[in-house]
Amino acid sequence: GAGVSQSPSNKVTEKGKDVELRCDPISGHTALYWYRQSLGQGLEFLIYFQGNSAPDKSGLPSDRFSAERTGGSVSTLTIQRTQQEDSAVYLCASSLAGGFFGPGTRLTVL
Amino acid sequence: AQKITQTQPGMFVQEKEAVTLDCTYDTSDQSYGLFWYKQPSSGEMIFLIYQGSYDEQNATEGRYSLNFQKARKSANLVISASQLGDSAMYFCAMRELNAGGTSYGKLTFGQGTILTVHP
Repeated sequence: GAGVSQSPSNKVTEKGKDVELRCDPISGHTALYWYRQSLGQGLEFLIYFQGNSAPDKSGLPSDRFSAERTGGSVSTLTIQRTQQEDSAVYLCASSLAGGFFGPGTRLTVL
Repeated sequence: AQKITQTQPGMFVQEKEAVTLDCTYDTSDQSYGLFWYKQPSSGEMIFLIYQGSYDEQNATEGRYSLNFQKARKSANLVISASQLGDSAMYFCAMRELNAGGTSYGKLTFGQGTILTVHP
């Protein structure tokens, strides 16, 4: 596809369950970012991958959050033992210089 | 200190008029990039315009222009001839070099400005 894609578009889960969110970046983009956005709020940085460099994990809110990027392409954000405060829209972006965002995954933890 | 400051939580403009959305930034880097994004009520983040710190001319993209004043560390977005479809949240963002200075790091966003265009 031409843009960044994310799946699922919506995810409803029960507190305590693990979830995986997927991001397919634009082909050839070396940088990939994960952000989350709570309703009516700004974007909170989570993690950033740049080529083969070690990822910048400084934004991950707890050790329940992890992300990987396989083969420099697809990325998966995993949230273990979800909590209600994890409910948000999770946005992925990829770039060469700027950032083009995917449509996001709306996560609701009941 | 805030890296990106957007001091206008909300702005109103009459259709067909121009509006300026303010953004100031804080960095000690010489090389950085500045971005503006639009987020309509649908939630998607739409890239609008980019300005590199070494670009001597202000960036323009259609009705969008970036008023870049490096010495004042400001990167205001100017939207000319506002349209009803311009009503949205607008975010300013900056990308600095990483700690090693070898490549660019993450995008840091401001808190956003909600723009409402009145008919």
